[in-house]
Amino acid sequence: EAGVTQSPTHLIKTRGQQATLRCSPISGHTSVYWYQQALGLGLQFLLWYDEGEERNRGNFPPRFSGRQFPNYSSELNVNALELEDSALYLCASSRWGPELFFGEGSRLTVL
Amino acid sequence: GENVEQHPSTLSVQEGDSAVIKCTYSDSASNYFPWYKQELGKRPQLIIDIRSNVGEKKDQRIAVTLNKTAKHFSLHITETQPEDSAVYFCAASRAHSTSGTYKYIFGTGTRLKVLA
Repeated sequence: EAGVTQSPTHLIKTRGQQATLRCSPISGHTSVYWYQQALGLGLQFLLWYDEGEERNRGNFPPRFSGRQFPNYSSELNVNALELEDSALYLCASSRWGPELFFGEGSRLTVL
Repeated sequence: GENVEQHPSTLSVQEGDSAVIKCTYSDSASNYFPWYKQELGKRPQLIIDIRSNVGEKKDQRIAVTLNKTAKHFSLHITETQPEDSAVYFCAASRAHSTSGTYKYIFGTGTRLKVLA
């Protein structure tokens, strides 16, 4: 069984640009969570999608947005990139059970 | 708002000693408390979890205790080994009211170093 997959693995952008990160959950998982992990810091909750709906949103500005597609894959968009957006973005999925399964992450570098 | 405090932020122990990491949560409706281990450059992975109807759970060298009254839970690692070196995250979680999926609040992480 394939795990949670994220793309791209690495992404380099400049200030003001937009970044799009993608996540494919484990087959059968309907819930997708996005977290930001800046260097040396913890997991900051960004967004939670389930069955195509946004269930909850963390304390991030509106330029962080996302969506979940009918096949339960998800996309995270970050507009007007700032230097402090440089981080590892982790996606996790779950289904009808509490365990979260994480992907390897997408490392975003903003120059 | 809801939050989970985790202490210490860094912890160094000698190989063979025990390590204890503590978390305190604020949402009294939380009923599931997982611990994740993240090795350098890798994804977080679940190592042990406990539900609110249980006070303690053990899995070989790892144990978790829960005090619901005080709203805190702890991870205990005995006979630490160099491969235990990683960042550990606690989380407090509860089921969403209608979907059955879970809402998570993570702690800020503890960087554990086991010195050989």
